[in-house]
Amino acid sequence: GESVGLHLPTLSVQEGDNSIINCAYSNSASDYFIWYKQESGKGPQFIIDIRSNMDKRQGQRVTVLLNKTVKHLSLQIAATQPGDSAVYFCAEFYGDDKIIFGKGTRLHILP
Amino acid sequence: DTAVSQTPKYLVTQMGNDKSIKCEQNLGHDTMYWYKQDSKKFLKIMFSYNNKELIINETVPNRFSPKSPDKAHLNLHINSLELGDSAVYFCASSSPGGMNTEAFFGQGTRLTVV
Repeated sequence: GESVGLHLPTLSVQEGDNSIINCAYSNSASDYFIWYKQESGKGPQFIIDIRSNMDKRQGQRVTVLLNKTVKHLSLQIAATQPGDSAVYFCAEFYGDDKIIFGKGTRLHILP
Repeated sequence: DTAVSQTPKYLVTQMGNDKSIKCEQNLGHDTMYWYKQDSKKFLKIMFSYNNKELIINETVPNRFSPKSPDKAHLNLHINSLELGDSAVYFCASSSPGGMNTEAFFGQGTRLTVV
């Protein structure tokens, strides 16, 4: 089976609130992780990445947290906006240039 | 000035046919990929090419054959199409750092086999 998975397939968040999307991975050898955003009818778009020697990385309105102890990755989106509605994927990278995507979490913004 | 472009965007065909999906990138990247996304939005890598050479060939039927005439193009040819091949196929490319760098994706090709 795939080693990357997401806890919630759908997440509904009030506009303006913060969103937290979670991801679990099982390959302890994974050393690089990316969060992608996929809007309807479009290809995945890079949001933010993190390497295994870090536990936190911040971007513009987004923060990725990595907990290697429990093999958990999260994406936090501050002040969620309607344009954040999309499917979010975490992806892990490990030896041989392998990348495995999770199944995706759909983020739904409530007005 | 689309970075990664795929054609066609939609493809409807009958079982048993042979079809190709084309992909081109104008980013100067060395590595290109094909991914398959199923109806549950699950993305799975199929092939990876670096400088026209195959470096990853995941477990896909040999009916699928990637062809890279130059490093800016990676086409996907599918023989004897089956119903289970219906999915969205994404092409992507990444910089010389390989897969440990940001990958740019095309808009996807929705293949429907009837």
